[in-house]
Amino acid sequence: DAKTTQPNSMESNEEEPVHLPCNHSTISGTDYIHWYRQLPSQGPEYVIHGLTSNVNNRMASLAIAEDRKSSTLILHRATLRDAAVYYCILRDDTGANSKLTFGKGITLSVRP
Amino acid sequence: KAGVTQTPRYLIKTRGQQVTLSCSPISGHRSVSWYQQTPGQGLQFLFEYFSETQRNKGNFPGRFSGRQFSNSRSEMNVSTLELGDSALYLCASRESTDDTEAFFGQGTRLTVV
Repeated sequence: DAKTTQPNSMESNEEEPVHLPCNHSTISGTDYIHWYRQLPSQGPEYVIHGLTSNVNNRMASLAIAEDRKSSTLILHRATLRDAAVYYCILRDDTGANSKLTFGKGITLSVRP
Repeated sequence: KAGVTQTPRYLIKTRGQQVTLSCSPISGHRSVSWYQQTPGQGLQFLFEYFSETQRNKGNFPGRFSGRQFSNSRSEMNVSTLELGDSALYLCASRESTDDTEAFFGQGTRLTVV
């Protein structure tokens, strides 16, 4: 599985935008970029995914570099509830491989 | 719709015993995956079941096994428990294997003493 690299932690202020980076220099052409987050004492929760184009949903936006070697998860207005570990994951969604390979993730702290 | 339900939430077992954990997926979901989460190794994939068949398996010893029933409910079993098996065991369900979004339960916290 191609690997991802994320900073260990980031801090943000409430109601400000947050940009969470992810590097994936060995991404293959069929790898999708998935983001999940894990709130304290909860199981992981799907956030967003994309292949090449930038994606938006009600939770966040995903900006993907043109060469696909990096991506950024954007939370437009951080709330205290967004404090969590965010995982950037690569997965080939075209084949039978269905597992999610989680790295260490980035711990986001949100200051009131 | 009810979410993914894992039972029990907490479990304490003794070394050498065996344990069975249960996962009820979201209604209509036929794919169930299991993950182990520990502070040292993070989240690691155990196996996935779809329509009662194991489709994928992670790098875990044979002491870890699972099965899926016709109603899509799944169980995982760990035999001859070791202290290192203490972990949070998470179950995730998807509507099908082509589905992108996985829905996770809250997990079962297993402590081996």
